Amino acid sequence: NAGVTQTPKFQVLKTGQSMTLQCAQDMNHEYMSWYRQDPGMGLRLIHYSVGAGITDQGEVPNGYNVSRSTTEDFPLRLLSAAPSQTSVYFCASRRRTSGASTDTQYFGPGTRLTVL
Amino acid sequence: AQTVTQSQPEMSVQEAETVTLSCTYDTSENNYYLFWYKQPPSRQMILVIRQEAYKQQNATENRFSVNFQKAAKSFSLKISDSQLGDTAMYFCAFMKHVGSSNTGKLIFGQGTTLQVKP
Repeated sequence: NAGVTQTPKFQVLKTGQSMTLQCAQDMNHEYMSWYRQDPGMGLRLIHYSVGAGITDQGEVPNGYNVSRSTTEDFPLRLLSAAPSQTSVYFCASRRRTSGASTDTQYFGPGTRLTVL
Repeated sequence: AQTVTQSQPEMSVQEAETVTLSCTYDTSENNYYLFWYKQPPSRQMILVIRQEAYKQQNATENRFSVNFQKAAKSFSLKISDSQLGDTAMYFCAFMKHVGSSNTGKLIFGQGTTLQVKP
């Protein structure tokens, strides 16, 4: 298994440009999430999905759009990039569990995005 | 809303020594999970250890152990016999237990950078 993959690893955008960060997982996980990591602030949840066709907002959703048409893929779209979106972006996935148990959340390698 | 606080931005330890990283959290929930993640310079997020709030026994994973104090809302990580490969940023994280399933939404602390010195 490749686990969670993200492309690209690095990206530089100009203000106002749009782009899509790709995320894919081959573990058949129901749950997928996008986080951003900024210095001194840890990771913050942008959007998440509990299954194909179902998405919801996290803590910092403004300026980002997501969709989940398949179990494997969960792309993150920046509609009009702003310098405040300069960050490292992580995709994560986890198997759905029930009861009192929880499963490990797997993270992708991250995408470093710079918006000029 | 839940919050997670790591009050030590940076720490250092000599190789083979023991170090403890602090984490406090705030929640009104009774059922939840706590995690420590390691992020080495490669940027990869690696799960170190996790604790279920309903378990009184502290979790251990080889050289890593936690001191979970539910009433005090404290969740510290102890690394014994520190190794150079332990040099990384460490994040404490909280996840709420929601009904019969968990949405996997993690709330992270700010992180602690740990330097292990030879």
